Amino acid sequence: GNSVTQMEGPVTLSEEAFLTINCTYTATGYPSLFWYVQYPGEGLQLLLKATKADDKGSNKGFEATYRKETTSFHLEKGSVQVSDSAVYFCALGIRGYGNKLVFGAGTILRVKS
Amino acid sequence: GAVVSQHPSWVICKSGTSVKIECRSLDFQATTMFWYRQFPKQSLMLMATSNEGSKATYEQGVEKDKFLINHASLTLSTLTVTSAHPEDSSFYICSARGLAGAWADTQYFGPGTRLTVL
Repeated sequence: GNSVTQMEGPVTLSEEAFLTINCTYTATGYPSLFWYVQYPGEGLQLLLKATKADDKGSNKGFEATYRKETTSFHLEKGSVQVSDSAVYFCALGIRGYGNKLVFGAGTILRVKS
Repeated sequence: GAVVSQHPSWVICKSGTSVKIECRSLDFQATTMFWYRQFPKQSLMLMATSNEGSKATYEQGVEKDKFLINHASLTLSTLTVTSAHPEDSSFYICSARGLAGAWADTQYFGPGTRLTVL
């Protein structure tokens, strides 16, 4: 089946620290992969995406590379800010699956000043 | 681009009443809209998929007579929670997927609607 596994949180970092949030997936087809971010009390915002193997998505200093060989899409940022505190969701989407998204459980990130 | 709005952003209602939530794609045409429910500190649960002009497809365990979905145009979908009860209190989020090109491969999410049933 299709599933996404994210590292459990919360992840607590100091400002300017390096961030990695692990995400691995299983899929029956060839998925697109996404990272969404949710700030408190708000809906989800697309952070970045990759549609095929070896693609790198990037936005606002965040990066993730679609690794087919390890079925992973880990999110990284070189220097986090307090404003990055949010919940991060990894998701996969497969066209043949009605274009539905399958979400991971979400990882809470807390950045301290 | 790719802005999705929801209205209202929050609503409080009495048990037994019905509540309608609107989801609009503001700058693109959405052939498909999705409705999710999110419980506190949990991930999103897909409730149903709606395609413009056709009946919604509900996920297993979601009562279609309780959560009525209408996708009347390429920019508007509505979710009506009928005869709401306190256990229906939740954060409801919609998303929209476009017709073609960059819009077709990605779901864009609305800001969510907080429903509280007293």
